[in-house]
Amino acid sequence: EPEVTQTPSHQVTQMGQEVILRCVPISNHLYFYWYRQILGQKVEFLVSFYNNEISEKSEIFDDQFSVERPDGSNFTLKIRSTKLEDSAMYFCASTGWNEQFFGPGTRLTVL
Amino acid sequence: GNSVTQMEGPVTLSEEAFLTINCTYTATGYPSLFWYVQYPGEGLQLLLKATKADDKGSNKGFEATYRKETTSFHLEKGSVQVSDSAVYFCALGTQGADKLIFGTGTRLQVFP
Repeated sequence: EPEVTQTPSHQVTQMGQEVILRCVPISNHLYFYWYRQILGQKVEFLVSFYNNEISEKSEIFDDQFSVERPDGSNFTLKIRSTKLEDSAMYFCASTGWNEQFFGPGTRLTVL
Repeated sequence: GNSVTQMEGPVTLSEEAFLTINCTYTATGYPSLFWYVQYPGEGLQLLLKATKADDKGSNKGFEATYRKETTSFHLEKGSVQVSDSAVYFCALGTQGADKLIFGTGTRLQVFP
């Protein structure tokens, strides 16, 4: 069964460093998303991406964040200068229509 | 705006007990409704969904009915197992490929 994959599973970084989280969506899906879940809290939408551009972003998704689909398979989330409060689980998701499939997540720890 | 409200957890039950986790929503239009489950240390898995009023989603013994009149989508299971221990998230999506809006999640703990 096709699935969304994410790498790495756990990323530890120093405050102020750049990180790139990688996702491989399901191959025939057209819509891609990033969500995050701060420990013990609810899952929050960050950004959606369609046709090689951002279709919607939340207030959380400020200038420190960017997304890219550099080739036909990968979908990346970049945080330019990480803050302590960026520590969270980041989930990638993709959909063809009406059902989102989530990856296993990348746990980001900012020290 | 659109939102989802879930009952507070944790919910603690003995094996074979009946489970209800309440979920209500506020949305414009005709949302699709979902229950996702997150097992310890894992990501989100779709448990069940309903796309229109009066639809019943079901999977693995869990059920939820889309009630437009009460704006609810309560999750039920007749007999829980220890392996059902997880966090359950109610979510809504307002259009086919729109973002999902999640509730706060309800932790279920089932003891033998």
